[in-house]
Amino acid sequence: EIVMTQSPATLSVSPGERATLSCRASQSVSSNLAWYQQRPGQAPRLLIYGASTRATGIPARFSGSGSGTEFTLTISSLQSEDFAVYFCQQYNNWPTFGQGTKVEIK
Amino acid sequence: QLQLQESGPGLVKPSETLSLTCTVSGGSISSSTYYWGWIRQPPGKGLEWIGNIYYSGRTFYNPSLKTRVTISVDTSKNQFSLKLSSVTAADTAVYYCARWDQGSSGYNYGYDYWGQGTLVTVSS
Repeated sequence: EIVMTQSPATLSVSPGERATLSCRASQSVSSNLAWYQQRPGQAPRLLIYGASTRATGIPARFSGSGSGTEFTLTISSLQSEDFAVYFCQQYNNWPTFGQGTKVEIK
Repeated sequence: QLQLQESGPGLVKPSETLSLTCTVSGGSISSSTYYWGWIRQPPGKGLEWIGNIYYSGRTFYNPSLKTRVTISVDTSKNQFSLKLSSVTAADTAVYYCARWDQGSSGYNYGYDYWGQGTLVTVSS
């Protein structure tokens, strides 16, 4: 099993500021990594696939980078609707998810 | 617009079998570029992949659940289903169905459409 570790568990950010979320894989997953956003009471929403490609309809303030074992999701200027939990998922092997990073209002 | 909707009992007794169905509308489950999956989320916790199925019936399961999981597809009804046997309280979770886009070239695009989720509680 490929273990995905996200950090930090909680990130406190002011609206308009940049948020940087990290995801580490226990072994290389190449670029087979996705990021999802989950708002309270809602299903996850696909943000990024292939480590760096935005999904359809995702604003440009969301960007992904990395390959191998280290990945980053950056939200350039946080909007009110961006305060949520973010999960990374590898699909290089059978899919596994990180435990999530909660982005909260500072 | 594609929509997925989970249905099934919200309460299952320990040792029994959990059964859920996902109904797909606004698109065909028989499309060659998509897989259909089940993912679950215990209350307040993270996401766990259960398995995927192709319209042909080919399945892929989480190794940790494989002995208890069966996913099947009914293309005539545009539905796919999940059965999880011998459930315990640890199987209490919100269960989501979702579409995995693999594209025509085999490139993976992620779970791009999700159902709203259904809470299944395992309790006597």
